[in-house]
Amino acid sequence: GQQVMQIPQYQHVQEGEDFTTYCNSSTTLSNIQWYKQRPGGHPVFLIQLVKSGEVKKQKRLTFQFGEAKKNSSLHITATQTTDVGTYFCADYNFNKFYFGSGTKLNVKP
Amino acid sequence: NAGVTQTPKFQVLKTGQSMTLQCAQDMNHEYMSWYRQDPGMGLRLIHYSVGAGITDQGEVPNGYNVSRSTTEDFPLRLLSAAPSQTSVYFCASSPTGHYGYTFGSGTRLTVV
Repeated sequence: GQQVMQIPQYQHVQEGEDFTTYCNSSTTLSNIQWYKQRPGGHPVFLIQLVKSGEVKKQKRLTFQFGEAKKNSSLHITATQTTDVGTYFCADYNFNKFYFGSGTKLNVKP
Repeated sequence: NAGVTQTPKFQVLKTGQSMTLQCAQDMNHEYMSWYRQDPGMGLRLIHYSVGAGITDQGEVPNGYNVSRSTTEDFPLRLLSAAPSQTSVYFCASSPTGHYGYTFGSGTRLTVV
């Protein structure tokens, strides 16, 4: 199936620092979705990107879809302890959603 | 709305036992899927359905069966449990494939 690779696998930041996770594919993505999973919780849908070069913002979170639709990024400005969790990207392909392996974010107060 | 409801939340099985994980949604979503989550492996698709009466295999279907007799329910059956099926199982639903998934709270399964 479609493979989306996420980097980094782990990120430890001091509260107030910025954080970025990347999602890469060797093939063109039809759309990309981002999810957040808090420790012990379930994934929660954050946003969907569809158009080449698309940029969307949710408060301190900025989501980008690459011009070639082969990569995407999630950037968090000035992290807070509430941002702790694992961030997943997911690709929709032929009725199936394939998830990346996730980036686990730890924020030190 | 309850969203996506999974039962049970926890289950311990002995090797060779069978069981059904229940999943129900009250949002009239057409798309439903089952994922398993293992440490460091992300979420892997087991089976999915694009509507009542239609199911198909995902990445890791072996050892699991599904059926979709109604829009609301999408049970996952473990035919003969094995220790390799120890995992957290998530059910998710979406109006169509082009909208984000709503996940259930998960079932933590241990096979001994």
